[in-house]
Amino acid sequence: AQTVTQSQPEMSVQEAETVTLSCTYDTSESDYYLFWYKQPPSRQMILVIRQEAYKQQNATENRFSVNFQKAAKSFSLKISDSQLGDAAMYFCAYRSASREYGNKLVFGAGTILRVKS
Amino acid sequence: GAVVSQHPSRVICKSGTSVKIECRSLDFQATTMFWYRQFPKQSLMLMATSNEGSKATYEQGVEKDKFLINHASLTLSTLTVTSAHPEDSSFYICSASGIWGSGANVLTFGAGSRLTVL
Repeated sequence: AQTVTQSQPEMSVQEAETVTLSCTYDTSESDYYLFWYKQPPSRQMILVIRQEAYKQQNATENRFSVNFQKAAKSFSLKISDSQLGDAAMYFCAYRSASREYGNKLVFGAGTILRVKS
Repeated sequence: GAVVSQHPSRVICKSGTSVKIECRSLDFQATTMFWYRQFPKQSLMLMATSNEGSKATYEQGVEKDKFLINHASLTLSTLTVTSAHPEDSSFYICSASGIWGSGANVLTFGAGSRLTVL
């Protein structure tokens, strides 16, 4: 079974600075997808960024980028120029590419990000 | 696009009553829906997976007679908490998976439902 580990329960960052959230995962599969989701106080889950395992290039979405290290099974999220609106709980998630699992996501425990003004 | 509506957003009920939560995909056909439970400051715990027209698959430890899931159409799945007790109080989230108009495979979350059992 696949597992996702987020070892940082809480992180803080000063507004306008950069912060990196860590995520590691365990799988025996070679084809899969990785995601970062944001859950603000409203509790709505918002997709931040997605990475296909077969792509070597790290995904980027504006101020959000990932460092995907497939061999190390590491998938960290970097938030640049942090804004107050980035304050939320962030979840790393894994999805198998196998049709057997459909779109089932395996979530990490989450990291609470606080942004200081 | 790819919008999922979850209703009600908040519900308070008395112990022993049943509560139904609806999850609707508004602009795509959801072949699979997932139901999660989330405690404060914790991760999402998958309760069950439902495929349209078939019985839901429950995760280990989830009582299927307690949490009834129905996925009768490609746009609607319901979660019914039967004979609710205070320990069932939680935040319940659905997500829907399907093919959006562009042909893309989508997975979208509802806004969640906060259940409080008195």
